[in-house]
Amino acid sequence: AQSVTQPDIHITVSEGASLELRCNYSYGATPYLFWYVQSPGQGLQLLLKYFSGDTLVQGIKGFEAEFKRSQSSFNLRKPSVHWSDAAEYFCAVGVDSYDKVIFGPGTSLSVIP
Amino acid sequence: EAGVAQSPRYKIIEKRQSVAFWCNPISGHATLYWYQQILGQGPKLLIQFQNNGVVDDSQLPKDRFSAERLKGVDSTLKIQPAKLEDSAVYLCASSLDLGTYEQYFGPGTRLTVT
Repeated sequence: AQSVTQPDIHITVSEGASLELRCNYSYGATPYLFWYVQSPGQGLQLLLKYFSGDTLVQGIKGFEAEFKRSQSSFNLRKPSVHWSDAAEYFCAVGVDSYDKVIFGPGTSLSVIP
Repeated sequence: EAGVAQSPRYKIIEKRQSVAFWCNPISGHATLYWYQQILGQGPKLLIQFQNNGVVDDSQLPKDRFSAERLKGVDSTLKIQPAKLEDSAVYLCASSLDLGTYEQYFGPGTRLTVT
């Protein structure tokens, strides 16, 4: 069955430090992969997506993610975190031609000033 | 461009009562989704509409949940009767059409069942 795991429930980083959020997926075919961010009291916002091609994907707000098929991973990175990046981050995989998306459990990011 | 609108933003009810949520998608978006997000979990798809037809409702607890999108625009999700485990945030999302995977989410309705 298709699934998404995010090993880190909560991560704390200092402002200005680099960030990597881990995501692993289970899916038989070539996956469509996504990262969403959810700020407190807000809906989800798409940060970036991978469909095919270059395995390093650039997104909004300075985020990037790298697809590694051999590791079934799609980790999110940012070279320098800002206090406004504190939020919940969800990795997701698209599983059919009807745009069905399965979300991971999320990683909560705290940023220390 | 206006985003996805949802109301109410918060609702507190007692178990066995009924409740309804409303969603107005982005203008022109054919696909509409309702998700349930329980605290500490990722969103789970409840039902997906393409215009006014249902694409996927496999995870909708049909004995108590119902949803409609009669004119292919706005949508309502109803729970009757509510259970304690229905406490969650209910998110509505829309996308221009199938095949885009570009879902735009509303702010959600936080339901507390006591």
